[in-house]
Amino acid sequence: GENVEQHPSTLSVQEGDSAVIKCTYSDSASNYFPWYKQELGKGPQLIIDIRSNVGEKKDQRIAVTLNKTAKHFSLHITETQPEDSAVYFCAAPGSSSSNTGKLIFGQGTTLQVKP
Amino acid sequence: GAGVSQSPSNKVTEKGKDVELRCDPISGHTALYWYRQSLGQGLEFLIYFQGNSAPDKSGLPSDRFSAERTGGSVSTLTIQRTQQEDSAVYLCASSQGVTNEKLFFGSGTQLSVL
Repeated sequence: GENVEQHPSTLSVQEGDSAVIKCTYSDSASNYFPWYKQELGKGPQLIIDIRSNVGEKKDQRIAVTLNKTAKHFSLHITETQPEDSAVYFCAAPGSSSSNTGKLIFGQGTTLQVKP
Repeated sequence: GAGVSQSPSNKVTEKGKDVELRCDPISGHTALYWYRQSLGQGLEFLIYFQGNSAPDKSGLPSDRFSAERTGGSVSTLTIQRTQQEDSAVYLCASSQGVTNEKLFFGSGTQLSVL
């Protein structure tokens, strides 16, 4: 099955700086890589996702890059703001060989943006 | 409701008791997931339901855990003979049922086993 590793576990940046979170996956057949943001007391919410037929996707201040050869993908947040402070999770499909829709999540990164 | 609803939001129980956690998915969503989030940890997959197909139970940690989804809508996660290590936030999510698509999460049930 798929294994997803996420780094760093915590990240502190100054407001306005950029933040980068990286994930690696094990199944070379995986083809979908979402990122979720979890605010305190709430469930995770999808913020951006990328499919394996593209190498980069941007949505305003956030972007995701994918390196299929190296089996890693990264979340980039530019011009960070205090409201970006949250826990971020990457994920990959639990199995590319079956029809299951489950996602395997990374361990999470706690991002703190200091004003 | 517009989102995934979970109840109760908090549950405190004694070791050895059984608990039931409920999830109301978004109307029309055919896929439903249960995840567990221990303090400061990631999201651990428990079980996945898709339409009338047999559920993917590969993430259930022991035979004390079970889940049902009645009528293709509401789901109940049952933990029998609870242990202290079962203390965690239990998150439910639903999706439209197409592979590789957005999951909508509820706010979770915080379970505390004393």
